[in-house]
Amino acid sequence: AQSVTQLGSHVSVSEGALVLLRCNYSSSVPPYLFWYVQYPNQGLQLLLKYTSAATLVKGINGFEAEFKKSETSFHLTKPSAHMSDAAEYFCAVNFGNEKLTFGTGTRLTIIP
Amino acid sequence: EPEVTQTPSHQVTQMGQEVILRCVPISNHLYFYWYRQILGQKVEFLVSFYNNEISEKSEIFDDQFSVERPDGSNFTLKIRSTKLEDSAMYFCASSERDRGFYSNQPQHFGDGTRLSIL
Repeated sequence: AQSVTQLGSHVSVSEGALVLLRCNYSSSVPPYLFWYVQYPNQGLQLLLKYTSAATLVKGINGFEAEFKKSETSFHLTKPSAHMSDAAEYFCAVNFGNEKLTFGTGTRLTIIP
Repeated sequence: EPEVTQTPSHQVTQMGQEVILRCVPISNHLYFYWYRQILGQKVEFLVSFYNNEISEKSEIFDDQFSVERPDGSNFTLKIRSTKLEDSAMYFCASSERDRGFYSNQPQHFGDGTRLSIL
């Protein structure tokens, strides 16, 4: 079955610390993978996308993600967290059809 | 940067009433989508629309739902007879995907319409 899993519904990191948000998928076809961010009372903003070119993808706001086929993962990282990074983050996958399948989201809190 | 716009931002409707949610996709995009997010749950696909017809829909998208592109800019979602469980945030999205292979183009989302059914 095709699915997306985000481990950790809430993640807290100190300002300046590494951010790591996890996303794993299960797919019978090569997937296209995306990370979106949702700030309070706003829509979903695209952070980055993996589309079978480079496995390490750089996005906006200093975020990047690495596609690891052997681990079926697409974890999101940022070397140094800022207060403005506090938001909800969604991993989304296209499994070869019209729609995006979203993970359950991870709420990131930054501790001053 | 072009963006997807949705109106209204918040809609309150009595159960059983019809509601129309409106979206203006990015102007050169060809593919349009509706998703919903019930409070505390994940974002769920409802329907995709291309070339003036539905190209895919989920099991959520039953006969109570319909979509339309009434002119060259708007894309609407209609719920004919609203139920309490239709209360959710509804997101419109658009993309410039090329047909023939599945999508590596990202979908761009609006800020959503919060629908509250009383």
